[in-house]
Amino acid sequence: GAVVSQHPSWVICKSGTSVKIECRSLDFQATTMFWYRQFPKQSLMLMATSNEGSKATYEQGVEKDKFLINHASLTLSTLTVTSAHPEDSSFYICSAPQFSRNEQFFGPGTRLTVL
Amino acid sequence: GENVEQHPSTLSVQEGDSAVIKCTYSDSASNYFPWYKQELGKRPQLIIDIRSNVGEKKDQRIAVTLNKTAKHFSLHITETQPEDSAVYFCAAIINQGGKLIFGQGTELSVKP
Repeated sequence: GAVVSQHPSWVICKSGTSVKIECRSLDFQATTMFWYRQFPKQSLMLMATSNEGSKATYEQGVEKDKFLINHASLTLSTLTVTSAHPEDSSFYICSAPQFSRNEQFFGPGTRLTVL
Repeated sequence: GENVEQHPSTLSVQEGDSAVIKCTYSDSASNYFPWYKQELGKRPQLIIDIRSNVGEKKDQRIAVTLNKTAKHFSLHITETQPEDSAVYFCAAIINQGGKLIFGQGTELSVKP
């Protein structure tokens, strides 16, 4: 079946540093990918839509200058959390739709802890 | 934009009983409604989905019903087992392959 990977699976960083998270579709091409954030005991909140070859579309309230998204190829989208702060600590999950199967496939998630 | 409301937030049942989780959505253009099961620290896993041209779908112990007029859909789990314990999320999407809007989640606990 379709597989989406994320790297790293977890990361701990100091406040003020930047962290890059990669999302890859391993066996299908994804012109669109989605980035979600999930705080403990909460739902998945859509942050942005990553579009291959064009700018990402951000949801209301998500700072595009803080959460940089790049979708440079049909299989890779990256999310960079810039100048991370403790309140950015969360579980970040990407997803990619596979249109032929009418289904979205989620990455395993990245646990970010900012000290 | 789309808004999805999910109830209850927690649900505790005895093993063998049925569990029902309900969701409502706001955008009548939504046409795809998946349900996900998420275990702690893991990715959501699709357990069943339904499209707007269908009123009910069943897969073994799991069923989903959709009422387009009322804009609500429900997940039914029969003969619950302890391994059904997890957080369940409903979601709605307007265009297949488009962005998913999730409900708030239901933490299901099945007591042996």
